[in-house]
Amino acid sequence: AQKVTQAQTEISVVEKEDVTLDCVYETRDTTYYLFWYKQPPSGELVFLIRRNSFDEQNEISGRYSWNFQKSTSSFNFTITASQVVDSAVYFCALSERDNAGNMLTFGGGTRLMVKP
Amino acid sequence: GAGVSQTPSNKVTEKGKYVELRCDPISGHTALYWYRQSLGQGPEFLIYFQGTGAADDSGLPNDRFFAVRPEGSVSTLKIQRTERGDSAVYLCASSSGLAGVEQFFGPGTRLTVL
Repeated sequence: AQKVTQAQTEISVVEKEDVTLDCVYETRDTTYYLFWYKQPPSGELVFLIRRNSFDEQNEISGRYSWNFQKSTSSFNFTITASQVVDSAVYFCALSERDNAGNMLTFGGGTRLMVKP
Repeated sequence: GAGVSQTPSNKVTEKGKYVELRCDPISGHTALYWYRQSLGQGPEFLIYFQGTGAADDSGLPNDRFFAVRPEGSVSTLKIQRTERGDSAVYLCASSSGLAGVEQFFGPGTRLTVL
């Protein structure tokens, strides 16, 4: 069965600091997909990124970057020069190709608080 | 274009009552999902529709929960004989249904059972 673990329940940083959110996953499938979602105080989940298991290239989008390492089953998310608007709960999620429904298994989330 | 919409945004009911939660997916999305998010936790899968049929309802906690999608678009999640433990945010998501694509989420319905 698939599982996603986000060991950091809460992180507090001061604006402009860099911060990394950890995500570790478990799956028996050889083809799978990893996601990060942001849930701001308004509550709506916002899609940030998707990776498939065959693409281990790291990705950068503005101040956001993602590090995917199959060897350690990790898909970590780094925010560079954090801003107050980054304050939210961030979820890592997994779906497996063998699961026809592509339903997402979420981690417990990491609450990020960025203080001015 | 319009995103996923859910109504009502908030629902307060009494223990033992029946409730219906509605989801209107993104136009053209064939896959529709319901998740439940309890306070301080990640969303948990309830049921998945591909078109009109419930392709996977393995996440429904018990037979008090039921969902329909009669015309392959709008879906209704129905909860009978509500219990205080049903209190949570119920999230709906839709996607194109292709493997590995992102799901787009609605704002959720916050259900409170008194």
